[in-house]
Amino acid sequence: AQKVTQAQTEISVVEKEDVTLDCVYETRDTTYYLFWYKQPPSGELVFLIRRNSFDEQNEISGRYSWNFQKSTSSFNFTITASQVVDSAVYFCALSEGVSGTYKYIFGTGTRLKVLA
Amino acid sequence: DTGVSQNPRHKITKRGQNVTFRCDPISEHNRLYWYRQTLGQGPEFLTYFQNEAQLEKSRLLSDRFSAERPKGSFSTLEIQRTEQGDSAMYLCASAPGQAINQPQHFGDGTRLSIL
Repeated sequence: AQKVTQAQTEISVVEKEDVTLDCVYETRDTTYYLFWYKQPPSGELVFLIRRNSFDEQNEISGRYSWNFQKSTSSFNFTITASQVVDSAVYFCALSEGVSGTYKYIFGTGTRLKVLA
Repeated sequence: DTGVSQNPRHKITKRGQNVTFRCDPISEHNRLYWYRQTLGQGPEFLTYFQNEAQLEKSRLLSDRFSAERPKGSFSTLEIQRTEQGDSAMYLCASAPGQAINQPQHFGDGTRLSIL
């Protein structure tokens, strides 16, 4: 069965610290995508990054970077030099190719609080 | 690109009443999704439209729920005989094309409160 686990319920950091959000997934599909979304208090889910199952190259985009490891089924997300505006709930999501709908399976989210 | 629009933002109703939510996806996005999010949880998939065809419904979507997407444009989600357990945020998302790599774009959601 497909599943996404975000074990960290809440993280608090002081501004300018780096923070890593963990995501572990389960799937039997060989073709899938992983996504990270941010949900500020306003409620709208904002797309941040994505990675496909065939590309384990880790990348950096501005203050965001991610570490995808198929061997451990993990897709961790790092914010460098955190800012107060980064405070939000962050969701990891899995989208599989087999169903054809590409619906998301979300984790339970990690609430990030960045303190000034 | 004006984003995904959902109306109303908030809905408060008494148990047993019917409610209808509307979602206007990004124009030319042929894929449309409905999710439900309860407090402290991640969104859960409810149903999926490709153009006007409803191609998948979750087991979460009981007989009291119905969704439509006439003409492949806006979509409506109706809940009949609402129950306390229906209280949640209902999110709509849209995406272009047929490729798995296209991220879904979400609206602000409709928060439903059942008295």
